[in-house]
Amino acid sequence: GEDVEQSLFLSVREGDSSVINCTYTDSSSTYLYWYKQEPGAGLQLLTYIFSNMDMKQDQRLTVLLNKKDKHLSLRIADTQTGDSAIYFCAETASARQLTFGSGTQLTVLP
Amino acid sequence: EAEVAQSPRYKITEKSQAVAFWCDPISGHATLYWYRQILGQGPELLVQFQDESVVDDSQLPKDRFSAERLKGVDSTLKIQPAELGDSAMYLCASSLRVAHEQYFGPGTRLTVT
Repeated sequence: GEDVEQSLFLSVREGDSSVINCTYTDSSSTYLYWYKQEPGAGLQLLTYIFSNMDMKQDQRLTVLLNKKDKHLSLRIADTQTGDSAIYFCAETASARQLTFGSGTQLTVLP
Repeated sequence: EAEVAQSPRYKITEKSQAVAFWCDPISGHATLYWYRQILGQGPELLVQFQDESVVDDSQLPKDRFSAERLKGVDSTLKIQPAELGDSAMYLCASSLRVAHEQYFGPGTRLTVT
């Protein structure tokens, strides 16, 4: 079945850039998403990219997609303490249900 | 900004009791989803509605879980009887298009003792 993998933890210094990586197995994935979850809260949709794109930028967020390697990344520029959270990668294809990774815990150090 | 509403936010119940969660999706969103999220994992789909119809409940433990969306708007998820392993966050989401751009509510944290 479909699988989405993420590294569990990432620590960065405030003001640095963060890069969160994700790999997926389904070559037919059409949309790939990044969600943010703060402690005790629901998931916030940050951004998504369609599979025919290789990059999407939205303010401090840059999503890169390497379809050949099935690799997705989220870069957060000028990372702030408010960016500390768990970040989930998710994918879907042809209206199939979303498949989520296990999440990457981002810790921003002062 | 429109949001998905859920209640209660927290629920503590004893094993074998019944528990129910409520969700009100973003107005106009025909597709509604219930997810279960175990600590340290990503959400897993329990049931998906298109309007009032269930379109996917393949992961719903039907011996104890039930879900309804009678008028195609708000929805209720019920567990009866609750088991210790049901302790988790229950998330509701909605979208305009099936599977795409899902917006999540704040969740209900269930603890079964």
